[in-house]
Amino acid sequence: ETGVTQTPRHLVMGMTNKKSLKCEQHLGHNAMYWYKQSAKKPLELMFVYSLEERVENNSVPSRFSPECPNSSHLFLHLHTLQPEDSALYLCASSQGPGRRNEQFFGPGTRLTVL
Amino acid sequence: GENVEQHPSTLSVQEGDSAVIKCTYSDSASNYFPWYKQELGKRPQLIIDIRSNVGEKKDQRIAVTLNKTAKHFSLHITETQPEDSAVYFCAVKRGSQGNLIFGKGTKLSVKP
Repeated sequence: ETGVTQTPRHLVMGMTNKKSLKCEQHLGHNAMYWYKQSAKKPLELMFVYSLEERVENNSVPSRFSPECPNSSHLFLHLHTLQPEDSALYLCASSQGPGRRNEQFFGPGTRLTVL
Repeated sequence: GENVEQHPSTLSVQEGDSAVIKCTYSDSASNYFPWYKQELGKRPQLIIDIRSNVGEKKDQRIAVTLNKTAKHFSLHITETQPEDSAVYFCAVKRGSQGNLIFGKGTKLSVKP
């Protein structure tokens, strides 16, 4: 698959579990993003990485821990989540700050926290 | 920080009618205004965008208009079709380093 891919597509976890979400982009972009999409809420930006460096953390609780080992891969490590963290988590990429602005989204991971 | 308001939250039209969705923003320095379409169970995809040095942009049945003075921009869909049914999000970006701030979305239903 080309573009932006995410795995897993669905995840059910308990509050004491540790899991990771993976995002991969095949577009040669330099910036990657994590968004949270909940019902009846706007897309909430969580983290921004530019050239593998975290440039933004929008007051996200520490139970969410991002990792960007290279410009093509982005992870979101999850531990001791709460039921209110259940949502669709979307990854996106773009050419990077100062360049073309369009963000390309992945298909998302539907997360359910029991 | 930037505040983006999007209206209406839901919109139902008959096939062939026009649909208009409006967004207002607060930061006068914002300069990039994209619209994304998200079909049920799918990812958001860019459908049209406009920059602050342009007042209107059109692509077949969709168009976006920008009023910088009033700080609002609108998405216009003409001759709507059932496949236009989706959630539409506006977004605003400030400067080359800014991030996208999204509106809450509008669920458009086109009835055949």
